[in-house]
Amino acid sequence: DTVLTQSPALAVSPGERVSISCRASEGVNSYMHWYQQKPGQQPKLLIYKASNLASGVPARFSGSGSGTDFTLTIDPVEADDTATYFCQQSWNDPYTFGAGTKLELK
Amino acid sequence: EVQLVESGGGLVQPGRSMKLSCAASGFTFNNYDMAWVCQAPKKGLEWVATISYDGSSTYYRDSVKGRFTISRDNAKSTLYLQMDSLRSEDTATYYCARQDNNYDYFDYWGQGVMVTVSS
Repeated sequence: DTVLTQSPALAVSPGERVSISCRASEGVNSYMHWYQQKPGQQPKLLIYKASNLASGVPARFSGSGSGTDFTLTIDPVEADDTATYFCQQSWNDPYTFGAGTKLELK
Repeated sequence: EVQLVESGGGLVQPGRSMKLSCAASGFTFNNYDMAWVCQAPKKGLEWVATISYDGSSTYYRDSVKGRFTISRDNAKSTLYLQMDSLRSEDTATYYCARQDNNYDYFDYWGQGVMVTVSS
């Protein structure tokens, strides 16, 4: 299976820029997607196919990358962005998710 | 507004069966592939199964092949997951999700239903 590696946690101050990384154990083309999950809620799609903003998602969120290295950027970070962020690949079978990066605000 | 509402979870003994349902509304159900994704307590997300828009094709992760069956009733706009021979490691919140037909991301999710497998 394709393993997606994310850093476990980050802490930033409101107004700052944060980049969350996701590294795949093998190439996934641009078939990388990002989700936000707040405690007690279902995941919400943020970015699809590496860099496309999902409907209704603020332009503060952006995505980049291809192949094995991908980044989700939030600029500027707001208090409401406290959540866990997951990457997911759909190029290789089975679809896999990263373990998640927990974003905390200082 | 797209809505996905799961039901059918609860406590079940190892080796027994359980069937989950997901009622969809707000979109043309028979135009979309659908999926189940699970999340063990305090853990990450794991894709479980996918069914094509017309029900003709199904796909499963290896750990549930032969035990779980995904199905759909397009007339009722409802997705199902029949779970047999349940194991303790199947304990998780199960989410119903709409799957993009081209790039296989999950653009809408239900609120989830908890399944606990324990004696």
